[in-house]
Amino acid sequence: EPEVTQTPSHQVTQMGQEVILRCVPISNHLYFYWYRQILGQKVEFLVSFYNNEISEKSEIFDDQFSVERPDGSNFTLKIRSTKLEDSAMYFCASSEGGRRTDTQYFGPGTRLTVL
Amino acid sequence: GNSVTQMEGPVTLSEEAFLTINCTYTATGYPSLFWYVQYPGEGLQLLLKATKADDKGSNKGFEATYRKETTSFHLEKGSVQVSDSAVYFCALNGPGNTGKLIFGQGTTLQVKP
Repeated sequence: EPEVTQTPSHQVTQMGQEVILRCVPISNHLYFYWYRQILGQKVEFLVSFYNNEISEKSEIFDDQFSVERPDGSNFTLKIRSTKLEDSAMYFCASSEGGRRTDTQYFGPGTRLTVL
Repeated sequence: GNSVTQMEGPVTLSEEAFLTINCTYTATGYPSLFWYVQYPGEGLQLLLKATKADDKGSNKGFEATYRKETTSFHLEKGSVQVSDSAVYFCALNGPGNTGKLIFGQGTTLQVKP
């Protein structure tokens, strides 16, 4: 069964460094998402992406964050200058369509630790 | 805005016990409702969904009914197994016809043999 994959599974970085989290969505999916879960808190929506553009973003997704689909298979989340409060589990998801009825399939997550 | 409230955990049950995890929501429009499950060390997996009022989603013995009148989507299973031990998340779409998901805080279920 096709699945969403994410690399790395765990990333440790120093405050102020740039990190890139990588995701490979399911191949025929057109909509891509990033969510994050700070330890002990809710899973929160960050951004949705379709047709090489951001279609929706949350207030969390400020200028420090960017997303890209560089090569038709990968979908990346870049954090330009990490802060301690960026430590969280980051989940990538993809879906065939972007409607409310479409199912999102999630990857296993990348645990980001900012020291 | 749209939001989800789940019952607090952890929920601890013996094998073969009946499970209910409560989920209520507030929403504008007609969101779809979802239950996702996260097994230890894994990502979120869709367990079931319902896309309109009175729909019942079901999978692996779990079921939930979209109740518009009580704004609820409670998860039930008649007889839980140790392998059902996981974190369960209720979710719905954000406002508008978008795919954005809004999650509840998650409920940890522990099933003991």
